[in-house]
Amino acid sequence: GAGVSQSPSNKVTEKGKDVELRCDPISGHTALYWYRQSLGQGLEFLIYFQGNSAPDKSGLPSDRFSAERTGGSVSTLTIQRTQQEDSAVYLCASSLWSGSNNEQFFGPGTRLTVL
Amino acid sequence: KNQVEQSPQSLIILEGKNCTLQCNYTVSPFSNLRWYKQDTGRGPVSLTIMTFSENTKSNGRYTATLDADTKQSSLHITASQLSDSASYICVVSSDSGGSYIPTFGRGTSLIVHP
Repeated sequence: GAGVSQSPSNKVTEKGKDVELRCDPISGHTALYWYRQSLGQGLEFLIYFQGNSAPDKSGLPSDRFSAERTGGSVSTLTIQRTQQEDSAVYLCASSLWSGSNNEQFFGPGTRLTVL
Repeated sequence: KNQVEQSPQSLIILEGKNCTLQCNYTVSPFSNLRWYKQDTGRGPVSLTIMTFSENTKSNGRYTATLDADTKQSSLHITASQLSDSASYICVVSSDSGGSYIPTFGRGTSLIVHP
């Protein structure tokens, strides 16, 4: 079916507000990843989920960032008390399972702007 | 620390010309290397993947090479088209302790002019 989808495509918020970004992975993909892409920078790993295992949160930059994956499908990335430095494109990717040989399929991203 | 360095940072060429993008990495242990193409406003899409034993892989007009000894890779684009204008990202993966987290380069921004 469809590829990875993300919503919203664009989000403008005021400093200090909370935001939620949504990712719908490809059906049947057990692994899901969140990345952040700042202007002129490479993709920065944030967190990944593999099946029912505990997520790898090692890339989250602060405790203001959290993510959930409900029912092994849809994932939500939440940023609390947003700061201007959180402005970036947030990309979600999914793959059949984790492991380096499995291609990650990326969504179009959510562009977050914190004023 | 695992790192992936790409050069040049940006490149402008005329339609129909060839170009080569470079990637150097210090990821260990090495598992594989992918080149992605990212169009403006879109997510990256995989072009090629190479493992340790492979030294060349083609996908249409795109040809990637890998020298695992010198830890270098290149992406050669033949007979460029306007649609090749995009960012090209080198990604190196390592399976370490059951945790799979790839290392991304910053990308090369390619502009193809008519």
